[in-house]
Amino acid sequence: KAGVTQTPRYLIKTRGQQVTLSCSPISGHRSVSWYQQTPGQGLQFLFEYFSETQRNKGNFPGRFSGRQFSNSRSEMNVSTLELGDSALYLCASSLEPTSGRANEQFFGPGTRLTVL
Amino acid sequence: AQKVTQAQTEISVVEKEDVTLDCVYETRDTTYYLFWYKQPPSGELVFLIRRNSFDEQNEISGRYSWNFQKSTSSFNFTITASQVVDSAVYFCALSEAKAGNTPLVFGKGTRLSVIA
Repeated sequence: KAGVTQTPRYLIKTRGQQVTLSCSPISGHRSVSWYQQTPGQGLQFLFEYFSETQRNKGNFPGRFSGRQFSNSRSEMNVSTLELGDSALYLCASSLEPTSGRANEQFFGPGTRLTVL
Repeated sequence: AQKVTQAQTEISVVEKEDVTLDCVYETRDTTYYLFWYKQPPSGELVFLIRRNSFDEQNEISGRYSWNFQKSTSSFNFTITASQVVDSAVYFCALSEAKAGNTPLVFGKGTRLSVIA
């Protein structure tokens, strides 16, 4: 079974630009979560989608947004990039909570975003 | 608010030594999940274990074992007979246990270096 895939793996942008990151969950997983990892703040939750609906949202500014498609693939968008947005963005997918394996989140390799 | 503390920032051991990674958590929830993840240099977070707060039984999986003690709010991870391939950053995480998948709250991680 293929794991979580994320594209692109590396991205370099300049301040003020916007960026879109993509995540394809494990087949059969309908919940997709996004996390930001930085050396200073560690791993922080951005948002979670299930059946195309955002169910949970972390404490990030409105410049960070996301969506999920009917095939469970998800994208996140960051507008008006700032230097502090440089980070590893990780996507995780999981089964439905009723599966008995609630919240076992499986992560992709991440997209490393560098903002210059 | 939930919080996870991994007091050990870095640990270095010689191959074949046993090593224990500490994790202390704070939560007001009566039911919750605890997790351990491994992050090798490639960057992908690898799921190791999920423990339900109802289940205080210790668990062993090969060279890995986990000690969950609700009385001290700790969920420690021991690697027996460590190997060079165990070198990675290890994260302990906590989430609520309620309907729907809930965000993971991560500790800052412990970097383990196993020297041959």
